[in-house]
Amino acid sequence: DAGVTQSPTHLIKTRGQHVTLRCSPISGHKSVSWYQQVLGQGPQFIFQYYEKEERGRGNFPDRFSARQFPNYSSELNVNALLLGDSALYLCASSLEGTAQPQHFGDGTRLSIL
Amino acid sequence: EDQVTQSPEALRLQEGESSSLNCSYTVSGLRGLFWYRQDPGKGPEFLFTLYSAGEEKEKERLKATLTKKESFLHITAPKPEDSATYLCAPSYSGGGADGLTFGKGTHLIIQP
Repeated sequence: DAGVTQSPTHLIKTRGQHVTLRCSPISGHKSVSWYQQVLGQGPQFIFQYYEKEERGRGNFPDRFSARQFPNYSSELNVNALLLGDSALYLCASSLEGTAQPQHFGDGTRLSIL
Repeated sequence: EDQVTQSPEALRLQEGESSSLNCSYTVSGLRGLFWYRQDPGKGPEFLFTLYSAGEEKEKERLKATLTKKESFLHITAPKPEDSATYLCAPSYSGGGADGLTFGKGTHLIIQP
């Protein structure tokens, strides 16, 4: 069975631009979460979606937004990119909520110039 | 305020030398404690979920245990392929955020 897939794998943007990252969950998983991981740190929670509804949001500015589609795939959007947004963006899926194991994709490496 | 602290930050062992990694947390309303392994350039790989104090889980050379305020990942007779960063993450209720809170991880190197 396919795991969590994310696209693109790498992306280079300049300050002020916007970016859309995509995630396809494991088949049958209804919950998708997004995390930001900077070098040397653990992943930091951005959003969780379940059945197309936002269930939780971490401490990130409004420049970050996300949505989940009827097929449970998800997009993370970041506007007005800053140098500090350079990171590995991880998507994780689970059957339902976060009390269940989340399974991660290999992420999108975003570099801001 | 750090809610999850992992120690040591880095650990270098000889092949076959057993040790333990620590994860201490101050969150309340724990719903589960997750352990992950992360290889360079990859996403975290799920290892274990522990739900209540006293619970233990095992997988090959790894055993995870949980108390009310900390969890241990015991590595018995490790091999070089066990080299990775090990992350712990409690899931807890409250605060409006519903995601996992990860520690910074322990970078483990097993030398042959």
